[in-house]
Amino acid sequence: GQQVMQIPQYQHVQEGEDFTTYCNSSTTLSNIQWYKQRPGGHPVFLIQLVKSGEVKKQKRLTFQFGEAKKNSSLHITATQTTDVGTYFCAGKNTNAGKSTFGDGTTLTVKP
Amino acid sequence: GAVVSQHPSRVICKSGTSVKIECRSLDFQATTMFWYRQFPKQSLMLMATSNEGSKATYEQGVEKDKFLINHASLTLSTLTVTSAHPEDSSFYICSAGIPANEKLFFGSGTQLSVL
Repeated sequence: GQQVMQIPQYQHVQEGEDFTTYCNSSTTLSNIQWYKQRPGGHPVFLIQLVKSGEVKKQKRLTFQFGEAKKNSSLHITATQTTDVGTYFCAGKNTNAGKSTFGDGTTLTVKP
Repeated sequence: GAVVSQHPSRVICKSGTSVKIECRSLDFQATTMFWYRQFPKQSLMLMATSNEGSKATYEQGVEKDKFLINHASLTLSTLTVTSAHPEDSSFYICSAGIPANEKLFFGSGTQLSVL
């Protein structure tokens, strides 16, 4: 079945440093979504990427979808303490009715 | 934005009892809802896809007789953990998607502790 791998599992950064998490799928995706889960909270939708090579920005967050639509990345510039949490990618196959979640990357930011 | 309400947020029960968790889409209709299980510091494990008016689709390894799912209306899905045991203790989360844009909205989750 479809597998979605996400690295790194954990990332500790100093406030102000950049952060990147990577997501790789074993199959070509129709779309990929990113979610953020704060400690003790539930996942919250951040963005969806659909097109090959697509790049979207949300303030300090930059999301990319690979040309082959099998990988994606989330980059945060100049992290802040409010960025702490676990970031999940979720990839969907064209013929699938559900998305497969990556294992998540947990970000901690030291003030 | 769309809101998904999940109740209860926390439940403690004795081993052998059954626990029902509700998931409601408050301002949209959800023909499909998803149920997940999440262990501490781990990812979301999809348990089943709940389909309004039909049987749920369970993921491999998930016991359908253990985790009963009912999706009786377009705004409500329930998960019943039957004859709960300590190993069923976990964080259970539901989600629902708006078909037009497919993004998922998650409930706030239910922390189940079985003594």
